[in-house]
Amino acid sequence: NAGVTQTPKFRILKIGQSMTLQCAQDMNHNYMYWYRQDPGMGLKLIYYSVGAGITDKGEVPNGYNVSRSTTEDFPLRLELAAPSQTSVYFCASRSSDRDYTFGSGTRLTVV
Amino acid sequence: DAKTTQPTSMDCAEGRAANLPCNHSTISGNEYVYWYRQIHSQGPQYIIHGLKNNETNEMASLIITEDRKSSTLILPHATLRDTAVYYCIVSRGGSQGNLIFGKGTKLSVKP
Repeated sequence: NAGVTQTPKFRILKIGQSMTLQCAQDMNHNYMYWYRQDPGMGLKLIYYSVGAGITDKGEVPNGYNVSRSTTEDFPLRLELAAPSQTSVYFCASRSSDRDYTFGSGTRLTVV
Repeated sequence: DAKTTQPTSMDCAEGRAANLPCNHSTISGNEYVYWYRQIHSQGPQYIIHGLKNNETNEMASLIITEDRKSSTLILPHATLRDTAVYYCIVSRGGSQGNLIFGKGTKLSVKP
């Protein structure tokens, strides 16, 4: 049982490049989330999904896109990377009545 | 979701109880109090949650005041491995239960 798996663990992007952060869970959880964490700050919710085919914006969705074609996967897309998107990104999942399980994070630097 | 207020930092001696306070004066009747912690740069880890009654599990105890406007997380015998940022979060849980993180309390357990 791997839990929540995020790839890659580290990435450096140039301004204007695009990339997809991958998130997969094997717990059959309906709910999945993407957060970002800037240095010294708490986590901020980017997007979330309550099930396959359903996504919604969180606190800071600008500059990001998501999709949820399967229960297991919830990729986060950055189309035109900007320095302000330098952050650590965490994916999480849960079932409707349980606590969150977080992945180990992706550390992204945009230069 | 109701907002929470926590001290920025606290120290605790190893082996002693760590008592982490949280104010949530605008909490609604259907909102739970959740506690998560984040060790170094790892993903947050669930600790405990409660609605009205005090709760205890293998990690910690949660004491909620009768008016529900504040709570205290208690780590009964703090160890060096409990050094982390602790987040107190108020959320409705269930399908409406997005977690909104503040800055939390940085707990330093000292030998």
